Amino acid sequence: SDELTQPPSVSVSPGQTARITCSGDGLPNRYLYWYQQKPGQAPVVVIYKDTERPSGIPARFSGSSSGTTVTLTISGVQAEDEAAYYCQSTDSTGTWVFGGGTKLTVL
Amino acid sequence: EVQLVESGGGLVKPGGSLRLSCAVSGFPFRSYTMNWVRQAPGKGLEWVSSISPSSRYIYYADSVRGRLTISRDDAKNSLYLEMNRLRPDDTAVYYCAREPDSSGTVFWGQGTLVTVSS
Repeated sequence: SDELTQPPSVSVSPGQTARITCSGDGLPNRYLYWYQQKPGQAPVVVIYKDTERPSGIPARFSGSSSGTTVTLTISGVQAEDEAAYYCQSTDSTGTWVFGGGTKLTVL
Repeated sequence: EVQLVESGGGLVKPGGSLRLSCAVSGFPFRSYTMNWVRQAPGKGLEWVSSISPSSRYIYYADSVRGRLTISRDDAKNSLYLEMNRLRPDDTAVYYCAREPDSSGTVFWGQGTLVTVSS
């Protein structure tokens, strides 16, 4: 299956570490992207190709992969990190597949 | 500077039609696969359609196949989405987005809102 599964919500206090997972049977064979989306804004890539961080994205954002699960880790969460996070991969034709999204709440 | 600017959204009655456009600048448009992605109010992201360079490969989500048609005009650096037989569940912000390059950079427009309601 090409489906990607994310937890609907994650809550952390400022300064703590947030971990958001994305699971899918096809993930060992495909790259995963993580998007951050704030209300009223277009999504922004925070991690690409499982673990790479685009220029301009803070170092507290990191990605890791293990088998069929990829994890976005935000170390030292800040209030500005409160947003929805989506994982995205591709299917066998190269078309995009999105996870359902995870709402990160900073308590 | 890279820009993707969507236009053409608006209010349309069920069964009606709209044509969305995405004007692109700042990168070699003809060399990249382009996508339409939508987001219903309060919901997640949903990939809608993609078109490869030279329009060689075109794909659609099952939810829109047969009603929406993607196309591109490389001379005008523009991407289009022809939307027919629209339904209320097509109500969403529609984004155009470029495929990643080797550095992982993905560009998105700011979106255009389509509302299907009587």
